[in-house]
Amino acid sequence: GAGVSQSPRYKVAKRGQDVALRCDPISGHVSLFWYQQALGQGPEFLTYFQNEAQLDKSGLPSDRFFAERPEGSVSTLKIQRTQQEDSAVYLCASSLGVGPENTEAFFGQGTRLTVV
Amino acid sequence: GQQVMQIPQYQHVQEGEDFTTYCNSSTTLSNIQWYKQRPGGHPVFLIQLVKSGEVKKQKRLTFQFGEAKKNSSLHITATQTTDVGTYFCAGLANYGQNFVFGPGTRLSVLP
Repeated sequence: GAGVSQSPRYKVAKRGQDVALRCDPISGHVSLFWYQQALGQGPEFLTYFQNEAQLDKSGLPSDRFFAERPEGSVSTLKIQRTQQEDSAVYLCASSLGVGPENTEAFFGQGTRLTVV
Repeated sequence: GQQVMQIPQYQHVQEGEDFTTYCNSSTTLSNIQWYKQRPGGHPVFLIQLVKSGEVKKQKRLTFQFGEAKKNSSLHITATQTTDVGTYFCAGLANYGQNFVFGPGTRLSVLP
């Protein structure tokens, strides 16, 4: 595709509800990242995939957060039993390859999650 | 863990004035990237620096990577209203796999 696509753009969830956020990376991009961005803050790393392998999930804040990329393209970030502190913009980014030469990250528009 | 800091947090300038934001890492970096995020938008890649002491220019923007590869700066000459946004640095630590973003510097340009 032309760019990284995320859906939905906005999501309002009741506290305790499960949500699933989708990311369609640029076709052929090996690396995929999820970030959480609170208002007025920089993106905070959540997890990283190289193709279908989740190589780093050290940034996931709790076991309520789960991410997958089963076929090495589309990725889903799932949040179970949402809490108010989960309210943020969730950004997905993809890059062409691995290693320092191919790490320009292309970001999607993000999903703004509001937990009420 | 690795921490990336940026100063200032906010900067208000008159159109035509220069602007500089500074980025400092708690650990030595393999490389550093800079992104710009317009209000309501998503981060957009500006540049990557890899070599110690490297300087790169993009029109009115000048990027520097420190000799010790722990700090970087972005300088904008003669700001324009189109420069408004938040500028983030993101550092990749040696042997790291993911970039750590700084908190950003929000630039306002008054016409």
